[in-house]
Amino acid sequence: GNSVTQMEGPVTLSEEAFLTINCTYTATGYPSLFWYVQYPGEGLQLLLKATKADDKGSNKGFEATYRKETTSFHLEKGSVQVSDSAVYFCALLIQGAQKLVFGQGTRLTINP
Amino acid sequence: SAVISQKPSRDICQRGTSLTIQCQVDSQVTMMFWYRQQPGQSLTLIATANQGSEATYESGFVIDKFPISRPNLTFSTLTVSNMSPEDSSIYLCSAAEGPEQYFGPGTRLTVT
Repeated sequence: GNSVTQMEGPVTLSEEAFLTINCTYTATGYPSLFWYVQYPGEGLQLLLKATKADDKGSNKGFEATYRKETTSFHLEKGSVQVSDSAVYFCALLIQGAQKLVFGQGTRLTINP
Repeated sequence: SAVISQKPSRDICQRGTSLTIQCQVDSQVTMMFWYRQQPGQSLTLIATANQGSEATYESGFVIDKFPISRPNLTFSTLTVSNMSPEDSSIYLCSAAEGPEQYFGPGTRLTVT
């Protein structure tokens, strides 16, 4: 079946620290991969995406590379800010059906 | 990207009653979806709202409990029927543009 497994949280870092949130997936076929972010009290926002192997998605200083050989899509940022505090969801898109399958989410807190 | 609004943003309802949530997209989209996010949990797809035909429900969700309408390409409603406290969740609608899905801000439902 199709599933997404994320690094368990919560994750707490200091401002300017390096961030990695791990995400691995299981899928039939070749899914597209996404990171969504949910700021406190808000809905989900698309952060970045990658649609094929070796693609790198990037936005707002965040990056993730679609690694087919390790079935991974880890989220990274070189220097986090307090404003990055949010819940981050990794997701895959089941092609054809256009269905998103989400990981369990990782709560990130950045302390000044 | 599509901009999606939902009404109401939150509600507190008594058990046994029903609530209809509205979702409006600022552009015509082929596919719309409804998700549930239970407290502290990830998102689970309830159904795909199909324009001009019945919604397609995921395993564990049924039309009698979650009737959905999709009268045109910019609007959909989800009704949560005969509510119980277990229905307390955030309900989100989304719209697909190509491989990307955009989400509304969610409706926070509390059932007492």
